[in-house]
Amino acid sequence: EVQLVESGGGLIQPGGSLRLSCAASGFTVSSNYMSWVRQAPGKGLEWVSVIYSGGNTYYADSVKGRFTISRDNSKNTLYLQMNSLRAEDTAVYYCARAWGNFDYWGQGTLVTVSS
Amino acid sequence: EIVLTQSPDFQSVTPKEKVTITCRASQSIGDSLHWYQQKPDQSPKLLIKYASQSISGVPSRFSGSGSGTDFTLTINSLEAEDAAAYYCHQSSSFPITFGQGTRLEIK
Repeated sequence: EVQLVESGGGLIQPGGSLRLSCAASGFTVSSNYMSWVRQAPGKGLEWVSVIYSGGNTYYADSVKGRFTISRDNSKNTLYLQMNSLRAEDTAVYYCARAWGNFDYWGQGTLVTVSS
Repeated sequence: EIVLTQSPDFQSVTPKEKVTITCRASQSIGDSLHWYQQKPDQSPKLLIKYASQSISGVPSRFSGSGSGTDFTLTINSLEAEDAAAYYCHQSSSFPITFGQGTRLEIK
């Protein structure tokens, strides 16, 4: 059974850093495309980043230069390193398997950026 | 950036009605258009992939059509459990984008 479990969210001050994790089971992260998608409170879905099986990475302009997507093949885990956080980064962050469409999603982890 | 515009933003419908949600892309995306359902406090769920391909486990009352710039999600014989937000998503080019969402309320 495919499962994605995010962790690492919390309350962080503006300018701070946070690393989100997404532990996968039922498939191999390194053999798939994996994405982060976020949803601000009461708002719609916003794509954040993707990492391809070959290692190429892409980012939304809103996070480029501040966020880094990566994976640990030995732990079958996806990460999102978030630096220089802003109030507008406040959202639930979902990881998802991303073969064109997002066919499996985690339950999400809430990141709140506030002083 | 490819902008996806959904209509309507909100619709209140009665059970057994047929519902149509449209998604218009700002430029042609072929069939690289996918639909999701998100119920309150839940993660999104893939309903339709590549404009019209069905997903295992999704009820057959959900169907999709379209290509190029105009796409449609149809829900035949709406059920109470279909109350949710629905989003379209394009994977044709970066940045990946979503429609703004359509909220369905069941009367």
